[in-house]
Amino acid sequence: QKEVEQNSGPLSVPEGAIASLNCTYSDRGSQSFFWYRQYSGKSPELIMFIYSNGDKEDGRFTAQLNKASQYVSLLIRDSQPSDSATYLCAVNNGQNFVFGPGTRLSVLP
Amino acid sequence: GAVVSQHPSWVICKSGTSVKIECRSLDFQATTMFWYRQFPKQSLMLMATSNEGSKATYEQGVEKDKFLINHASLTLSTLTVTSAHPEDSSFYICSARSQNEGRYLGPQHFGDGTRLSIL
Repeated sequence: QKEVEQNSGPLSVPEGAIASLNCTYSDRGSQSFFWYRQYSGKSPELIMFIYSNGDKEDGRFTAQLNKASQYVSLLIRDSQPSDSATYLCAVNNGQNFVFGPGTRLSVLP
Repeated sequence: GAVVSQHPSWVICKSGTSVKIECRSLDFQATTMFWYRQFPKQSLMLMATSNEGSKATYEQGVEKDKFLINHASLTLSTLTVTSAHPEDSSFYICSARSQNEGRYLGPQHFGDGTRLSIL
């Protein structure tokens, strides 16, 4: 089992819809969770981080963490074509910072 | 805040040349920096973890004599690709971990990357 798993996509949503990106991790001791956005040919950009169970909102983005089920998700409300990118989930278990393979999101105008 | 500057953005050079890439944390001190390589349409691949004042820790399969890493200060790490060959052509990205939030480790912040092309 890979340490951090994501559906590779592509996930296609129409403009204005909610995009839901999911990530599961294997190390129960993981404490810190991060979402990054990477446009094609560019480096990753931090969107959000979450440490505690529950929801954390920042503008159109909401991160959700459920440590018991070992998953973290990212919701993007009112999706825009400019949100089209690869979204990377990253998990820090205190020793290693592990990235998932990323989910490619395509927002259709 | 948490800006990481990487230089140069592009390098094109002849086979056999050594290339140095700099990674600076501009507004925070980073005891730990990371170097990644990414090939087109592939995932980030961690090459090494760089700790200030100590030797870098290389991932399995990464030649430490080929990819020299120096982390001489809390704001600067360098990666030198020695005697570069066409197969070393890739997108190299550095990151720096910002301060912890209480007991939680801080996020990594990435530089803009360096696109290396070896002819």
